[in-house]
Amino acid sequence: EVQLVESGGGFAQPGRSLRLSCAASGFTFEDYAMHWVRQAPGEGLEWVSVISWNSGRIDYADSVKGRFTISRDNAKSFLYLQMDSLRSEDTAVYYCVKGGATIYGLVDYWGQGSLVTVSS
Amino acid sequence: EIVLTQSPGTLALSPGEKATLSCRASESVASNNLAWFQQKPGQPPRLLIFGASDRAAGIPDRISGSGSGTDFTLTISRLEPEDFAVYYCHHYDTSRTFGQGTKVDIK
Repeated sequence: EVQLVESGGGFAQPGRSLRLSCAASGFTFEDYAMHWVRQAPGEGLEWVSVISWNSGRIDYADSVKGRFTISRDNAKSFLYLQMDSLRSEDTAVYYCVKGGATIYGLVDYWGQGSLVTVSS
Repeated sequence: EIVLTQSPGTLALSPGEKATLSCRASESVASNNLAWFQQKPGQPPRLLIFGASDRAAGIPDRISGSGSGTDFTLTISRLEPEDFAVYYCHHYDTSRTFGQGTKVDIK
C-alpha cells in the first residue's frame, strides 16, 4: 500500500523558512517523480513543484520559483521542500504526491498533507 | 500554460440522480492527459479518472470520464451518498494545472 506521510509544517513569520519532509513507502520510490501540491484554506489545488526520479529535472510554479527548493533522498525514500522567504500567500496545506515515471506523468497517490501557516 | 475552467461551480442534486461535470481547457490537451480527482472535507484528493476516460483502481463504474481536445466531462450515473464532494480536473503534462473545482452538494 502506497503511503506518503508529510511532516515539518507549522507556523512561520513572513520572511522566515520552513522545511517539509515526506516519508514514502509501499512503492519503489527511486522509480518515480514526486510532486508537491498545495491548497490554501477553502481554496482549490495549486501545483508547486516536481522532481524527477534521479533529481536531474526539477520544475517550480512561478509563484514559488527562487524561494522554494525541492529535493529527494532515494536511499531514505524521502522527499523535501525547503521553503524560504515565506509570504502570507504561502499559507496552505502542502501535499506530497507520487508522480509518474517522468516529470510529466500522472499524479496518483497523495499524502494527508501538512499545514503551513505564515503570519506575523 | 493551459487554463482549465470547470462548470458549474456547484451542483445540487439528490441521491440517485445523474451528475454531469464539465472541464474546458484553454487549448487542446495532448494525448488526453486529463485526470479527475475527488476531494472530501479534511481528506486529500483521490484519483478517479486518468487519460480522460480510464478509471483508476477501485473506482466504481457509475463514475465515468469522456471527452477530448478541449472539452471533458465527468459523469456520475447515479449519485450515492459518498459521491457528494468536490471534483477537480487536472492536466498532467507541461502545465500541470487544476480546474477550480465543482462541488456536488446534496439537494
